[in-house]
This record gives sequence, C-alpha cells and structure tokens, in this order.
Amino acid sequence: RKEVEQDPGPFNVPEGATVAFNCTYSNSASQSFFWYRQDCRKEPKLLMSVYSSGNEDGRFTAQLNRASQYISLLIRDSKLSDSATYLCVVISSGGSNYKLTFGKGTLLTVNP
Amino acid sequence: NAGVTQTPKFRILKIGQSMTLQCAQDMNHNYMYWYRQDPGMGLKLIYYSVGAGITDKGEVPNGYNVSRSTTEDFPLRLELAAPSQTSVYFCASKEGGLNQPQHFGDGTRLSIL
Repeated sequence: RKEVEQDPGPFNVPEGATVAFNCTYSNSASQSFFWYRQDCRKEPKLLMSVYSSGNEDGRFTAQLNRASQYISLLIRDSKLSDSATYLCVVISSGGSNYKLTFGKGTLLTVNP
Repeated sequence: NAGVTQTPKFRILKIGQSMTLQCAQDMNHNYMYWYRQDPGMGLKLIYYSVGAGITDKGEVPNGYNVSRSTTEDFPLRLELAAPSQTSVYFCASKEGGLNQPQHFGDGTRLSIL
C-alpha cells in the first residue's frame, strides 16, 4: 500500500456542484494533515490544515478519519476558479525530523 | 517578507553542463526541501535539510547535491546534467512543529537538451 494515495481523478463538475476528494494514508502514526492546491505550472499553495474535529473555511470542509486513515476535502458551490490540482500532505515525526509525504494530486475542472 | 525565493525561473542546459539552482528564505525556517515535479506527476523529494550544516537524501537524490551553510540558503547543484533531469524544481521551507505547513517557491523550470 502506498504511503499516501489520492482519488486518481480527474473530476469534471459543473459550476455550483459539490465535489469531494479522499486521501488515504498508510502510517497510523501520522500526525498532521494538509490540503494544498496547485494551479497549472505554479507552485503548491496551502489551502487548509486538517484538524481532528474537522474544519471549515468558507466553501471548503476538511475532515480526518483516523480509524480508517483518510482525510477528505469537500468543496461546495464550485467556482470556475476552483479548477486546480488538489494535493494532500501527511506528516509523521521521526525523532527530531518530520517526514512529509505528498499525494500525487487530484485534478479538478469546474465547467461553466 | 519575500518568503521562499528561487532563481532562476527558467533555464536550458546542454547535456553534461552543471548548474546551481538557488533557494533562499527569509522566514528563519530550519527545515528546507527540494522537490522535482515531472509533467502530470506528483512531487518527488530530492534532498532536505533540518538546519544549517545538516542535509539528508530524499527519494530521488542521484545526480544532485546540496549544501546548507546558512539557515537562509539551500542551493541544489546538478553536476552533469542529463535529459532525465528535465523537470520543474520546487524549493520549500517549514517552521519546526508538526502543525506547520510548507511554503513553496515559484519553481525553476529546467530543460536539458
């Protein structure tokens, strides 16, 4: 099993749709989780952290399920500007170091 | 704050040439990282550093070298450029602490011909 696996996508949705992505991780000791978005030919940018109790930022909701070892990202009322690749990041600690593992990303295209 | 600054933004090299990709951050972050991203693919970790004077190999270190003489700078060197090293290179930095995210530079697009 890969360390971090994301929904392969691509996702094509109409404007206004609700879309959800999942990301599973294999290391049960993983401790921190993030969602990044990456626009075409640009650098990844932090979208939101994922907290144990779940968290919301406007139209975006992130959730963590430790028992099943996955995180999710829900986007409501999709906008054209949401079109991007969404990357999940899982962090585990190893002594004084941190191991960050990126998923391969899920491509979302929001269509007019 | 400028954040993470990478130079150059674009470069074309001939096979066998060498070059250094520069990365500097002004956030006093101890952790710095170099990734490469091939078209349509995810990020692959080349090297990382947990502080000045300390570097470690990542997933794909072959053909690259790094140094970390200061907290601010983390240059990546290609000694003998090969076509397989054509990619987009991203540098990132991070504060210590599990809940701190990475901050990325704009990337360097490198073509080896």
